[in-house]
Amino acid sequence: AQSVSQHNHHVILSEAASLELGCNYSYGGTVNLFWYVQYPGQHLQLLLKYFSGDPLVKGIKGFEAEFIKSKFSFNLRKPSVQWSDTAEYFCAVNVYGGATNKLIFGTGTLLAVQP
Amino acid sequence: DSGVTQTPKHLITATGQRVTLRCSPRSGDLSVYWYQQSLDQGLQFLIQYYNGEERAKGNILERFSAQQFPDLHSELNLSSLELGDSALYFCASSEGAWDTQYFGPGTRLTVL
Repeated sequence: AQSVSQHNHHVILSEAASLELGCNYSYGGTVNLFWYVQYPGQHLQLLLKYFSGDPLVKGIKGFEAEFIKSKFSFNLRKPSVQWSDTAEYFCAVNVYGGATNKLIFGTGTLLAVQP
Repeated sequence: DSGVTQTPKHLITATGQRVTLRCSPRSGDLSVYWYQQSLDQGLQFLIQYYNGEERAKGNILERFSAQQFPDLHSELNLSSLELGDSALYFCASSEGAWDTQYFGPGTRLTVL
């Protein structure tokens, strides 16, 4: 069965620090990859997605992610975080051409940015 | 604002009761998905509907059921509620059956 691992459960950074959140998935076939963010008390918002093409994907709010197929990874990065980036970040995959479009989520990474 | 709306925002009920959660997809979206977010299980896919028909089922209990109506809004019915059903229930929608999903604000269900 497909699964998604987010190894960092809690991350605390100071403003202007660089961010990298890890995401690994287990599936041997073609996948679509997503990062969603959940700000405190709000719904999940799409940060970025990868379907095909350039493995370096740019999203909203200065976030980017790199798909490395050989490592089954899709790590999220931001060069300089802000206090407003405090949120929970979820990596998700779905199987391209699979029987369902369901998203399989990682357990999430709680990011706290200190001013 | 994703354009997906969910009502109610909060629901508090007792064990054994039945509740209905409602979701209206973004304008033009034909597919609706339901997810459950709990502390111990994380975000889990429950069910997907596409243009009124059930498309895929995930970890949905037999006590739970859903439907999508001709106007494309969807309802998730939870019955014989247990304490463990307390969770945040999200609805998402997408244009087609395979497109990017956009999430609503969720309904927080508390079972006492």
